[in-house]
Amino acid sequence: DVKVTQSSRYLVKRTGEKVFLECVQDMDHENMFWYRQDPGLGLRLIYFSYDVKMKEKGDIPEGYSVSREKKERFSLILESASTNQTSMYLCASSSYSRGTEAFFGQGTRLTVV
Amino acid sequence: AQSVTQLDSQVPVFEEAPVELRCNYSSSVSVYLFWYVQYPNQGLQLLLKYLSGSTLVESINGFEAEFNKSQTSFHLRKPSVHISDTAEYFCAVSVVTGFQKLVFGTGTRLLVSP
Repeated sequence: DVKVTQSSRYLVKRTGEKVFLECVQDMDHENMFWYRQDPGLGLRLIYFSYDVKMKEKGDIPEGYSVSREKKERFSLILESASTNQTSMYLCASSSYSRGTEAFFGQGTRLTVV
Repeated sequence: AQSVTQLDSQVPVFEEAPVELRCNYSSSVSVYLFWYVQYPNQGLQLLLKYLSGSTLVESINGFEAEFNKSQTSFHLRKPSVHISDTAEYFCAVSVVTGFQKLVFGTGTRLLVSP
């Protein structure tokens, strides 16, 4: 089975802190994604990557950056956390194949205080 | 750009009753269509998908969805729901050509009561 693992289920950070959210997948997928999920807004794409060291902005990249140094790992970075970044963060991966599904991690619920 | 509309934020239903969760999409190019389910405190799981061919697709747990190109819809249905179907359901699209990233709707929370 495909497994996408996010390093933390719950995180509490202070305003202004630098925050790292880690995601690892074990299926050799080329594509990886970071979404945030908020009530009433669904899932919104923050950043995605289609290859090692390649990254593209999604719909809401402001306040975030990403890193993909290895194919299996995709990190989301909040350079200076703010309270409006309190949210559920979901990592996903998929292959290049046409029509393939995306596989999701369990999510990280981040609270910024 | 693609967009997905799920008009119903919450659908309450009694156990064993039928249910329909509505999904409409907008796109100027051909798309693939997906329904994902999220059980409490879990990530998203694929429920079913339409890629091509028969417009009616089914899942292993009794859900089905029908692609209607003229109405740009992909509604999800189940003839008889169970308590265990209580979850949030997300409709999503990705383009057939070009980079495939999922665009999601805002989700519909299905609440099944006894």
